[in-house]
Amino acid sequence: DTAVSQTPKYLVTQMGNDKSIKCEQNLGHDTMYWYKQDSKKFLKIMFSYNNKELIINETVPNRFSPKSPDKAHLNLHINSLELGDSAVYFCASSLHLDRDRLNIQYFGAGTRLSVL
Amino acid sequence: QQQVKQSPQSLIVQKGGISIINCAYENTAFDYFPWYQQFPGKGPALLIAIRPDVSEKKEGRFTISFNKSAKQFSLHIMDSQPGDSATYFCAASTSYGKLTFGQGTILTVHP
Repeated sequence: DTAVSQTPKYLVTQMGNDKSIKCEQNLGHDTMYWYKQDSKKFLKIMFSYNNKELIINETVPNRFSPKSPDKAHLNLHINSLELGDSAVYFCASSLHLDRDRLNIQYFGAGTRLSVL
Repeated sequence: QQQVKQSPQSLIVQKGGISIINCAYENTAFDYFPWYQQFPGKGPALLIAIRPDVSEKKEGRFTISFNKSAKQFSLHIMDSQPGDSATYFCAASTSYGKLTFGQGTILTVHP
C-alpha cells in the first residue's frame, strides 16, 4: 500500500477553471503538507495541517484553499487557475515532532498540473 | 529570501568517485538538517539527516558533515553509482516543523 497517495497524477486544464487535488496518508501521521515544485525543481511549502488545524500558511494566493476533513486527508482546491500555477504539487505527511523531535516528512509521488 | 543556499546546481561524477554537495543556511533557529533524494517522476525521499549537536553522521555510503559555526553542511556520497543519479535537496527545519529546502542539485553518475 502506498504510504502517501495523491490523485490525480496528472491534471491538464484550461485557465480560469477550478480543480482539486486529493491526498491521503495511511502512516498514522498527524501532520500533512502541500508543497509546490516549480519548473526549476525548487520546492516550497504552501500549507501544513496538524490534527486538522492549519499551522503553516505561506504566502500563497487565496485562490488556493486547503481542506483537511480528517488527519489522514488533506485536499487542495485551486480556483480560477492561472498559467503560473503550472507545477508539480506534492503532498507530504509526518509525525509532528516525534519523540526524538524530528520532522521526517514522507512525500507522495506528486500531481503534475498543466494550465493551458 | 533564500534561507538555505545549495551548490552546485548540477554535478557529474564518474562511477566510484565521491559526490559532494554543499549547503549554507542563515537562520540559527534551524535545528534539524535532512537531505532528500528525488528520482524523476517521484516525490522526494529522506536520505539522511543530522542534528546540530553532532559534526558528522554516516549511513552506508552517505555522510553528512556539519559545521555549526560556519552555518554550513554537506552531503558526501562515497563510491558513487549510476543508481545514485537523482536530484538531491538539502533542507533545514525549525522546532515547529517547517522545512525550508535548498535549490536542489542534479547529480549524474557516469558508468
